[in-house]
Amino acid sequence: DQQVKQNSPSLSVQEGRISILNCDYTNSMFDYFLWYKKYPAEGPTFLISISSIKDKNEDGRFTVFLNKSAKHLSLHIVPSQPGDSAVYFCAADAGNNRKLIWGLGTSLAVNP
Amino acid sequence: DTAVSQTPKYLVTQMGNDKSIKCEQNLGHDTMYWYKQDSKKFLKIMFSYNNKELIINETVPNRFSPKSPDKAHLNLHINSLELGDSAVYFCASSQGFDSYNEQFFGPGTRLTVL
Repeated sequence: DQQVKQNSPSLSVQEGRISILNCDYTNSMFDYFLWYKKYPAEGPTFLISISSIKDKNEDGRFTVFLNKSAKHLSLHIVPSQPGDSAVYFCAADAGNNRKLIWGLGTSLAVNP
Repeated sequence: DTAVSQTPKYLVTQMGNDKSIKCEQNLGHDTMYWYKQDSKKFLKIMFSYNNKELIINETVPNRFSPKSPDKAHLNLHINSLELGDSAVYFCASSQGFDSYNEQFFGPGTRLTVL
């Protein structure tokens, strides 16, 4: 039972264009969402997060949008760079659960 | 200077053996975690410790026993290894046990059970 879904296993984008990675969730109790990036043979690293009281959070080239009514969030990377090529995981927190629920990840390839 | 380190990086062993994976963090964090990433790439939490106390134990077989000798270390011991234990195991740490706190991950230990 996947509570956090990343339906696109992979995405390919040209350098300089926008990358949009999507994430859907089923549990309306989730109130905090995080994106992690993972390079091969390394552990995930934190990228950006958003609280359910907001609909947008921006950090440099990375912006996360949250649509609570649709239970959907997306990560935008503008402009995309080859170094952004990695697997991106969406994760959700249900407050007092004290654990993150992770999506399966989307592998992003940014082509020069 | 590695923030979260795990040893070994690779572990190949036979079914039925007992093995340990070590994890150390030098970030001064008070919470540490063990995650399992299986062949389907699901990243699932197994355990979390806060100040050496067990906070989360996620229906993991009792063949898996975490040990936290101090706040900076969380080791994972696995008894009677089975084929299904083959996976990548990640250690992580954070400041505070709320899961929305940024977690810092180690590089992972790839366990292969033959």
